[in-house]
Amino acid sequence: DAGVIQSPRHEVTEMGQEVTLRCKPISGHDYLFWYRQTMMRGLELLIYFNNNVPIDDSGMPEDRFSAKMPNASFSTLKIQPSEPRDSAVYFCASSTDRVGTQYFGPGTRLLVL
Amino acid sequence: EDKVVQSPLSLVVHEGDTVTLNCSYEVTNFRSLLWYKQEKKAPTFLFMLTSSGIEKKSGRLSSILDKKELFSILNITATQTGDSAIYLCASYVDDKIIFGKGTRLHILP
Repeated sequence: DAGVIQSPRHEVTEMGQEVTLRCKPISGHDYLFWYRQTMMRGLELLIYFNNNVPIDDSGMPEDRFSAKMPNASFSTLKIQPSEPRDSAVYFCASSTDRVGTQYFGPGTRLLVL
Repeated sequence: EDKVVQSPLSLVVHEGDTVTLNCSYEVTNFRSLLWYKQEKKAPTFLFMLTSSGIEKKSGRLSSILDKKELFSILNITATQTGDSAIYLCASYVDDKIIFGKGTRLHILP
């Protein structure tokens, strides 16, 4: 298995632009998680899905952030409009179990200028 | 407020030393505790602990959970430079997972 796949690996954009991050979970994993990691705040859970349905989005910082999972093999995290404080590494992870091992993708390093 | 606290924040030791990383948690409805190793990229899974007092071991790494005192430790014996990484501890609480800030471990050759 290729593991969790994320794209792009790096993104540099200007403030105000829309950013879309993509994730392909491991096949057969029913749970998909989006995280954000910064030096100041560490690793934070933004939202997670079970069987393509968003279960808990309480970690999403504000309305500028949205996430979708149109099918079992694809999810997006969108930021519109982006701001410099959104600069972080965004990880996607998948799991077969809500409280089990999560397998992380390589992350997308986002820089908003 | 649920929280996971790791200590120390940073640790520098010489190759061959043994290190102990600490993770304490204050959470409601604890489910499990996980340890991850993060090198330059994504966190990779090390251990999941759900029961008190049962040591989990993988090579030179081992971990144990104390549900009465609400903490876990991660031990690394005979450290190597490849052990240099950030070690993350996380606790599952109901539908959420909460990560600690991590311990940054650096092994000097």
